[in-house]
Amino acid sequence: EAQVTQNPRYLITVTGKKLTVTCSQNMNHEYMSWYRQDPGLGLRQIYYSMNVEVTDKGDVPEGYKVSRKEKRNFPLILESPSPNQTSLYFCASSLGGVYPVTGELFFGEGSRLTVL
Amino acid sequence: GQQVMQIPQYQHVQEGEDFTTYCNSSTTLSNIQWYKQRPGGHPVFLIQLVKSGEVKKQKRLTFQFGEAKKNSSLHITATQTTDVGTYFCATQAGTASKLTFGTGTRLQVTL
Repeated sequence: EAQVTQNPRYLITVTGKKLTVTCSQNMNHEYMSWYRQDPGLGLRQIYYSMNVEVTDKGDVPEGYKVSRKEKRNFPLILESPSPNQTSLYFCASSLGGVYPVTGELFFGEGSRLTVL
Repeated sequence: GQQVMQIPQYQHVQEGEDFTTYCNSSTTLSNIQWYKQRPGGHPVFLIQLVKSGEVKKQKRLTFQFGEAKKNSSLHITATQTTDVGTYFCATQAGTASKLTFGTGTRLQVTL
């Protein structure tokens, strides 16, 4: 089954404790992206990747890191989480292609993170 | 930078009534996508519009891309309780690879 898998789905952590949210897709998609969703603010892009070893900042990259060493995986790293990073996080992927059309995004189930 | 406004933020309708959400951009768009997110769920792709003035239909849903490619609308005819959720537009401008999401319109449908 084609899917985007995120882990963990729920996490409560404390300020400053490094954490990683994993994202894996099995559709051989080139494009992957991370979003955070907060009430009233919609979906805001954190980082995206057009292909392996190619990553770029989205609209709200501060406090986050990513890597794309393999095509299928795109982990989101919070080196020193703070309470303002409490949010619902979504990983998404798409086939990618010629600019400017990225194509349909497939989303993971979401990871709800609480930073105390 | 690209700004995307979606209106209304929230709409409550009775089952059978129509519903429309609008997506407006400050810049000319290369394409626009629409997504639906059910309560507690993740966004699910509905459709993509690319051409100026394009109109696409999916059963009771009608999607339109403005002639100037700066706005779009999603219209639902005769809403049902299964239409409940938040509808997002997502836009790309020019050769930018970023997809910018609108703030969404939350639709509530009651019997």
